[in-house]
Order: sequence, then C-alpha cells, then structure tokens
Amino acid sequence: AQSVTQLGSHVSVSEGALVLLRCNYSSSVPPYLFWYVQYPNQGLQLLLKYTTGATLVKGINGFEAEFKKSETSFHLTKPSAHMSDAAEYFCAVRGNYGQNFVFGPGTRLSVLP
Amino acid sequence: DAGVIQSPRHEVTEMGQEVTLRCKPISGHDYLFWYRQTMMRGLELLIYFNNNVPIDDSGMPEDRFSAKMPNASFSTLKIQPSEPRDSAVYFCASSMTGGRSNYGYTFGSGTRLTVV
Repeated sequence: AQSVTQLGSHVSVSEGALVLLRCNYSSSVPPYLFWYVQYPNQGLQLLLKYTTGATLVKGINGFEAEFKKSETSFHLTKPSAHMSDAAEYFCAVRGNYGQNFVFGPGTRLSVLP
Repeated sequence: DAGVIQSPRHEVTEMGQEVTLRCKPISGHDYLFWYRQTMMRGLELLIYFNNNVPIDDSGMPEDRFSAKMPNASFSTLKIQPSEPRDSAVYFCASSMTGGRSNYGYTFGSGTRLTVV
C-alpha cells in the first residue's frame, strides 16, 4: 500500500525566495512519484515525475524535485518564487505494478510581493 | 489534443434533483477516473474504469452515486437524488498504461457542483 504526507497545508514565501514543498511517501513497492499543480478553478496539471534513473527531476516552470529513497522523500523546490506560482500543489505516489495514484492532501503556496 | 473534456463546468441544482456529469477522456487512454474534491476531504477517488469496465467503485459514497462508461470516449457520473453535502468539484482524469504505470493522469477542468 502507498501513502503520501505533505508537511504544511499552507506555505508562504516572498517573491524571489526559495520555494520548498515537502513530500514524504510510503510504499511497499518501488514507487513512481509525481507532483501536480492546481491553479484556481482549474484541474490538476502534471508538474514533474520520477520513474527511474536520475533522482533529480526537472519539471515545468523551473520546478525540480529530488527522489531520496533513504528518506522516502520527494520534495519540490524552485530557486526563485514568482507570483504566478501561487497555487495548490499535490504530491502523488503510484506503485510500479499498476496501482492507482495516492494523492497527498496538498499544500497551498502563497507568494507575497 | 483537446485533453479531458468535462461538462458542465458549473452546475447548480436543488436538493433531490438528479445530476449528471459528463466526461470525454483523451483518445487512446484506457483508464478513466472520477475524483471528488472538497476542502474537508481533499481529493477522493470515487471510481475508475479500465477499457470501459468498472474496476473499483469502493470510493462511491452511496447508492445515490452511479457511473457508466458506455464506450471508450464517454463516461457519466450520476447523483440521484442529490443532497447539499454532494457539493464539490468533480474531476475526471484519464491515463494510458500500456502495461506500465509511470504515466501520469490527465485531468479535466472539473465540474463545480452546488446543491442547494
């Protein structure tokens, strides 16, 4: 079985500051890990994913995440926040045997001018 | 590719009425998912289909909820009778697996349902 926790339901950063959104997972099988972003009144969009290979993955809009197996983490980062990054971010895990996604509760990112 | 298409975008209905939400998945995707999103419960998986066949409906909250997928390009989620606590945003998502599970889901824009 898989599960996902996201530390912090709401994170605020200043424009230009580092963005760090935390995600920890548990999985009984090798996981595939995903970050999705949801802008207001829109559906979820895939930001980036880790499947195999390089543990540092880059996504759209300057975001990246690093898979750390020893820490069972997949934290999302961006060096410099932009106002347009304000959204809800969901971490998700999917087992590599075809299991369905398990989504975390989400973290709302606010970017202050 | 038009993506996953949901209709209507907004629905306001009176308690007791029947509500039907519609979804057109991406052509070629063989999995279709219905999710419900609320502030209290976040994203909840209601049901999913594989090749038009319902695989797991354990997330459907009550018998008032039903879902169908008559063909590969269309699915409906019906609530009858509707209740105020059904108010939420309902998302449809589709995915292609091809035997691998590293594909992400593609979500529709959602239907915001308000039951008054």
